[in-house]
Amino acid sequence: GNSVTQMEGPVTLSEEAFLTINCTYTATGYPSLFWYVQYPGEGLQLLLKATKADDKGSNKGFEATYRKETTSFHLEKGSVQVSDSAVYFCAALNTGFQKLVFGTGTRLLVSP
Amino acid sequence: EAGVVQSPRYKIIEKKQPVAFWCNPISGHNTLYWYLQNLGQGPELLIRYENEEAVDDSQLPKDRFSAERLKGVDSTLKIQPAELGDSAVYLCASSREGSYNEQFFGPGTRLTVL
Repeated sequence: GNSVTQMEGPVTLSEEAFLTINCTYTATGYPSLFWYVQYPGEGLQLLLKATKADDKGSNKGFEATYRKETTSFHLEKGSVQVSDSAVYFCAALNTGFQKLVFGTGTRLLVSP
Repeated sequence: EAGVVQSPRYKIIEKKQPVAFWCNPISGHNTLYWYLQNLGQGPELLIRYENEEAVDDSQLPKDRFSAERLKGVDSTLKIQPAELGDSAVYLCASSREGSYNEQFFGPGTRLTVL
C-alpha cells in the first residue's frame, strides 16, 4: 500500500520567510497527491492537489510539484503570513483502492 | 452550502462506557468516510460507505467499533466499550460518488476516555 513521509515539525518562521515542507511517498502505480491544512479547532481542508507526474498544484500562494523521479511532493510558499500557522498534511490516494493515506503532519508556526 | 456536520464536538467518558458520534455529510455526497486521528498523527481511514453500503471496513476494530448509515445519508460511529486508547479525534468526510480525490472533512469529535 501507499505510505507518506513528511518532515517533522514544528517549522518556525518569521513572517514573509520562504517555506518548504518536504513530503515523499511510496506507492504502487501513480497515486494522486494532496496537501491538506488543519487550522486550530477546524477540520482538514484541501489546500492543493496533483494527479499526475509533473503536475503543479497551487492555491493561496502555496505550490507543490509532483516529482515522479524523486517520489516527492514538497510544499512551498514564497512569503508566509501569520495566518498560515496551522498543521499541514501530505496525502496520497491510490485510485485502485480509493484510500487516502496521510503523513503525520507538520506544524507551521509563523511569528510577526 | 453547508459543510460536513459532526456532533458532538467534544466528548469525555469513562472507560468501559459506550459512546456514539454522528455525521451529516454534504448534500448529494454519496460517499462517506470515518477517520481516526491520534494525537500528532495523520488521519487513518476506519470505514468508507458508498450510499448505505460499507465497502471498506478493513481498518475498523469490529470487536468494539460499529458504524451504520441506514438511509445512505447520516452516519453514526459507535464504540462499546470505550478504552483509554480510544482517546482521539474522529473525523467524518464525504465526497461525490467516485470523487475520492475531493473529500470534504468535518471538524471532528474529540473523544477523551478517562
